[in-house]
Amino acid sequence: AQKITQTQPGMFVQEKEAVTLDCTYDTSDQSYGLFWYKQPSSGEMIFLIYQGSYDEQNATEGRYSLNFQKARKSANLVISASQLGDSAMYFCAMRGPNSNSGYALNFGKGTSLLVTP
Amino acid sequence: NAGVTQTPKFRVLKTGQSMTLLCAQDMNHEYMYWYRQDPGMGLRLIHYSVGEGTTAKGEVPDGYNVSRLKKQNFLLGLESAAPSQTSVYFCASNRLAGGPLAKNIQYFGAGTRLSVL
Repeated sequence: AQKITQTQPGMFVQEKEAVTLDCTYDTSDQSYGLFWYKQPSSGEMIFLIYQGSYDEQNATEGRYSLNFQKARKSANLVISASQLGDSAMYFCAMRGPNSNSGYALNFGKGTSLLVTP
Repeated sequence: NAGVTQTPKFRVLKTGQSMTLLCAQDMNHEYMYWYRQDPGMGLRLIHYSVGEGTTAKGEVPDGYNVSRLKKQNFLLGLESAAPSQTSVYFCASNRLAGGPLAKNIQYFGAGTRLSVL
């Protein structure tokens, strides 16, 4: 069974600073995909970034990058140059190779990020 | 550019009442999912569907039923609502082009906030 752990319930960062949101996972699978989603106060789930377990390079999408350390089973999200609009809940999720659960995403409990002026 | 549309956005039920949550996607995705989100719990899978006419149970299926009569629609039913079903419900969909470990983004609806009194 897969388990996603986000150990930081809440984080603060000052505007324009970088912040790292932690995500560790537990799986016996060798192949998997890792996702990060943002949930602003309006409630929608917004896809941010994806990392495949066999990807050799860390994923980047604009100000978002993923610090992927496969041996440590960690997939931390790095947000550079934080903006006030980055204040939101952030969820780490995993999709495994097995068809049970229809390849649904398995989510962590989330980290609440507050960006201060 | 609709993506995944959920109706209604808000609903208040009395214990024992029934209702159906509607989900429609216009991206021709095979895979559709219903999740519930509770405070501090992340998203948990209720039911899923891997294609028209097929449905299966997820992690927390008790008290819910689903149907997928058309590829674009996935309905979630509560036959006899209970206060424990007070939650935010998300519908999501994705394709699996290139297999389950490719970058197949899961797209979410805006959510339905349900209160059962």
